[in-house]
Amino acid sequence: GQNIDQPTEMTATEGAIVQINCTYQTSGFNGLFWYQQHAGEAPTFLSYNVLDGLEEKGRFSSFLSRSKGYSYLLLKELQMKDSASYLCAVRVSNDYKLSFGAGTTVTVRA
Amino acid sequence: SAVISQKPSRDICQRGTSLTIQCQVDSQVTMMFWYRQQPGQSLTLIATANQGSEATYESGFVIDKFPISRPNLTFSTLTVSNMSPEDSSIYLCSHPVGGRSNEQFFGPGTRLTVL
Repeated sequence: GQNIDQPTEMTATEGAIVQINCTYQTSGFNGLFWYQQHAGEAPTFLSYNVLDGLEEKGRFSSFLSRSKGYSYLLLKELQMKDSASYLCAVRVSNDYKLSFGAGTTVTVRA
Repeated sequence: SAVISQKPSRDICQRGTSLTIQCQVDSQVTMMFWYRQQPGQSLTLIATANQGSEATYESGFVIDKFPISRPNLTFSTLTVSNMSPEDSSIYLCSHPVGGRSNEQFFGPGTRLTVL
């Protein structure tokens, strides 16, 4: 089976930076994804890493180290609307299926 | 990514009954998937809906409990059969969007409560 771990909850202040870590042990690896999910809504795609290194997209960045089985999602200049659950997911083969971590609930406080 | 709609958006059902959830995509997509998200938990893949053939189920999910149809490249249904309160979940369909990342694009979900 797949094992994907991420913290359950994180709290940060508006304007600050938060880093959400994800470690994985999977039977294969064909990409790591981060999704954002607001309460009562479907997950929306944030980022994708398949090679080692940092991918930056506006206020959000994602990092991958395949040798360590480790990724993080960095959220900068936090806004209240960033309060959501952030899901780490791994694609283990070429068949598009994703295995998800349990998600990290981020609460942004004024 | 193609636009996905699901029906119903939510339902409350009695145990022992069945509910069929529809997923409609506004353009043809090769692959469609069904996921479940139980309360407070993350997403779990139920099955891959294959056009014109039987769905491919993940470990722990069986066709008798979750029959799936995929009559064409824009439509799929998932039936939750003989429901129990443990089936209370959000059910989401998805498809890969192509391109470099080929990420899954999710429909709005169907929130099912079984009493």
